[in-house]
Amino acid sequence: NAGVTQTPKFRILKIGQSMTLQCTQDMNHNYMYWYRQDPGMGLKLIYYSVGAGITDKGEVPNGYNVSRSTTEDFPLRLELAAPSQTSVYFCASRSTSAHEQYFGPGTRLTVT
Amino acid sequence: TQLLEQSPQFLSIQEGENLTVYCNSSSVFSSLQWYRQEPGEGPVLLVTVVTGGEVKKLKRLTFQFGDARKDSSLHITAAQPGDTGLYLCAGGTNFGNEKLTFGTGTRLTIIP
Repeated sequence: NAGVTQTPKFRILKIGQSMTLQCTQDMNHNYMYWYRQDPGMGLKLIYYSVGAGITDKGEVPNGYNVSRSTTEDFPLRLELAAPSQTSVYFCASRSTSAHEQYFGPGTRLTVT
Repeated sequence: TQLLEQSPQFLSIQEGENLTVYCNSSSVFSSLQWYRQEPGEGPVLLVTVVTGGEVKKLKRLTFQFGDARKDSSLHITAAQPGDTGLYLCAGGTNFGNEKLTFGTGTRLTIIP
């Protein structure tokens, strides 16, 4: 049982490039979330999903897109990378019947 | 927008001392979670409190949810170097479709 896995662990992008951050969970959780964490700060919700085929915006969705074609996968897409998107990105999941969110190890993204 | 303010932002104390971290908001939450995050990793849940006035103990850690469900505290007794980390509170609303609002974080360092 791997829990929540994220790839890549680190990435450097040039301004204007695109990339997809991958997130997979093997706990059959319906709820999945994407957060960003800026240095020394808490986490801000980018997008979330309550099940396959359903996604919704969080607090800071601009510049990002998501899809949820399966229960297991919840990729985050950056279309035109900007320096303001330099951050650590965390994916999380939780079951319908519990409060606890399980987090992946994060992806550290630098846009220069 | 719901905000959760944590204080202090930074805390550095000697091993064996006691400490309290506070998490305050003007908003009411249906649940309050505390997470600990270590460098290079995602947050890990410590506790969830859901009832106003609730107190939960986890070994040397004591968590309290305010009567009005707007604030919470984390008290650590006889701090140990293993307690070092970033402590995050997170308020939840609408359990069936719960999104978390994370606090600003308290970075705790325990000096041996």
